[in-house]
Amino acid sequence: GAGVSQSPSNKVTEKGKDVELRCDPISGHTALYWYRQSLGQGLEFLIYFQGNSAPDKSGLPSDRFSAERTGGSVSTLTIQRTQQEDSAVYLCASSLPPREGTQYFGPGTRLLVL
Amino acid sequence: EDQVTQSPEALRLQEGESSSLNCSYTVSGLRGLFWYRQDPGKGPEFLFTLYSAGEEKEKERLKATLTKKESFLHITAPKPEDSATYLCAVGGHSGGGADGLTFGKGTHLIIQP
Repeated sequence: GAGVSQSPSNKVTEKGKDVELRCDPISGHTALYWYRQSLGQGLEFLIYFQGNSAPDKSGLPSDRFSAERTGGSVSTLTIQRTQQEDSAVYLCASSLPPREGTQYFGPGTRLLVL
Repeated sequence: EDQVTQSPEALRLQEGESSSLNCSYTVSGLRGLFWYRQDPGKGPEFLFTLYSAGEEKEKERLKATLTKKESFLHITAPKPEDSATYLCAVGGHSGGGADGLTFGKGTHLIIQP
């Protein structure tokens, strides 16, 4: 079946511009996660959505980062006023509940802020 | 705070030369330990989930084991197509956000023909 999809696959932007990254989870997966992978660093948790519950935003690095999930499916991660340190690969994952469920990852969006 | 340390950072083996990758962890209440494989330019690909000490899982040339403090990914008679970065992650009750995973930095494995 179809896996997690993300778009765009690559994004180049100028410092100060806003960007939106999209994630389509696996059909039927109620949990959705965003992570960031910077060069030489491990994956860093950003935000978690589970069904209609309030999202866990504890990993967001600053208030320039926000995310929403519409209809319990597609999610958009928005970065406002991008900075060069935001350059990274942004990965989305989805899973079935419970929290111990295995997370399946998409291919990522490679963001470069000039 | 949950922590995951993987070693070695990089490993170069000859085809057929067996070895093990280490993942040491500290976690407040283990919900699960996960192994992923990541190829260049791609997202992590799920390999195994381990939930309790003593548990073992196998898939082709890979075998994952778990103790209370570490996990090993054993690779037997590897082939060049096993070359990748192997990531270890834990789900705990306090790290990576309450619900996210805490990842190690990975072991970059190269298998030479």
